[in-house]
Amino acid sequence: AQSVTQLDSHVSVSEGTPVLLRCNYSSSYSPSLFWYVQHPNKGLQLLLKYTSAATLVKGINGFEAEFKKSETSFHLTKPSAHMSDAAEYFCVVSDQKDYGGSQGNLIFGKGTKLSVKP
Amino acid sequence: DTGVSQDPRHKITKRGQNVTFRCDPISEHNRLYWYRQTLGQGPEFLTYFQNEAQLEKSRLLSDRFSAERPKGSFSTLEIQRTEQGDSAMYLCASSLVTSQARRGYTFGSGTRLTVV
Repeated sequence: AQSVTQLDSHVSVSEGTPVLLRCNYSSSYSPSLFWYVQHPNKGLQLLLKYTSAATLVKGINGFEAEFKKSETSFHLTKPSAHMSDAAEYFCVVSDQKDYGGSQGNLIFGKGTKLSVKP
Repeated sequence: DTGVSQDPRHKITKRGQNVTFRCDPISEHNRLYWYRQTLGQGPEFLTYFQNEAQLEKSRLLSDRFSAERPKGSFSTLEIQRTEQGDSAMYLCASSLVTSQARRGYTFGSGTRLTVV
């Protein structure tokens, strides 16, 4: 069975400093992994996805994530936090081998709330 | 492409009442998914349709819950005899999966249900 564990429920950074949100996964095959962001009262937005191509994945708004099979990790990073990055972030794995990120049921982590201090 | 629309945005109901939510997916998408998100948790899969066929249901979907997608376009999720534990955000998503094309998941903004 597939699962993800987000290691921090809350991360607080100062504006302009780096962001690191940690995620470990468990999968019986090479997984499809995603990061989603959820701003208050808004829908889930896809930040980036890994589907067995390049291990360093670049997403929107300056975020990127690196797939590390040996560590079963898919941590999300950003070099410099902006106030608008404050939101809930979800690490997600698909329950099917999914080349396009379009099918399968998504299995979400519990989320990491990112706070950005001025 | 106006995205995935959900209606209503908010619903407050008394325990024991029935409620129905609607989801309008992106028009070209053939798959439609329902998820539930409780406070402080990530969304959990409930069920999905491919066109009008309901192909999978989670064990979370008790017999008080029923979902339909009668013409393979919009979908409804009905909860009968609501309980306080049903209070959650109900999210709808759609995607396109064919032999020729794939388009990733797009989520709606959700319907927040409060059972009092």
